[in-house]
Amino acid sequence: GAVVSQHPSRVICKSGTSVKIECRSLDFQATTMFWYRQFPKQSLMLMATSNEGSKATYEQGVEKDKFLINHASLTLSTLTVTSAHPEDSSFYICSARWDRASQDTGELFFGEGSRLTVL
Amino acid sequence: AQSVAQPEDQVNVAEGNPLTVKCTYSVSGNPYLFWYVQYPNRGLQFLLKYITGDNLVKGSYGFEAEFNKSQTSFHLKKPSALVSDSALYFCAVRDPDTGRRALTFGSGTRLQVQP
Repeated sequence: GAVVSQHPSRVICKSGTSVKIECRSLDFQATTMFWYRQFPKQSLMLMATSNEGSKATYEQGVEKDKFLINHASLTLSTLTVTSAHPEDSSFYICSARWDRASQDTGELFFGEGSRLTVL
Repeated sequence: AQSVAQPEDQVNVAEGNPLTVKCTYSVSGNPYLFWYVQYPNRGLQFLLKYITGDNLVKGSYGFEAEFNKSQTSFHLKKPSALVSDSALYFCAVRDPDTGRRALTFGSGTRLQVQP
């Protein structure tokens, strides 16, 4: 259980276009999902917290108009990189927090990541 | 604010030898602590966590970690390393008292196990 699917795993696009990345919790409900960005040989930086049915909460320094997040259902969050530029090239990883009636244990379940290359 | 430090960029160990990957943390309250492993171009896989209870936590693939409150550490250990353990390891923390649900990650430590 607790599988998170992320799609696409790899995408190449031209500068100025928009790219959508999907994150799905396959066998559990996730009111809250998180989007991280990972630069080569670096750690994961939290970009935003995606909340089902409400606006995402962005970390300081992350442009909300550039990185659009939609959490339309309890199992799906999408990240759209708008007007992509080469500096947006990165590895984007989503994670989901499992909604459970029992005590919140805090662990997150991660997707496989999406590597974006903007030409 | 919560933070995690992994002081070693890389750890090299011979197969069959014990391994330790270091992690220290900083939170205002009682921490939730986690270890994840990442293979190239993949997401993160959960290894183990400390929430409460025994300071020694056992996880997947023979890994364990010891929570030391006085030293604010949560070092990852394995008695006998395998070549297949070679990967990038991340320590993460969450302070439940802040209401912040996201995890804060350390910078990662690359483990290289030599045959």
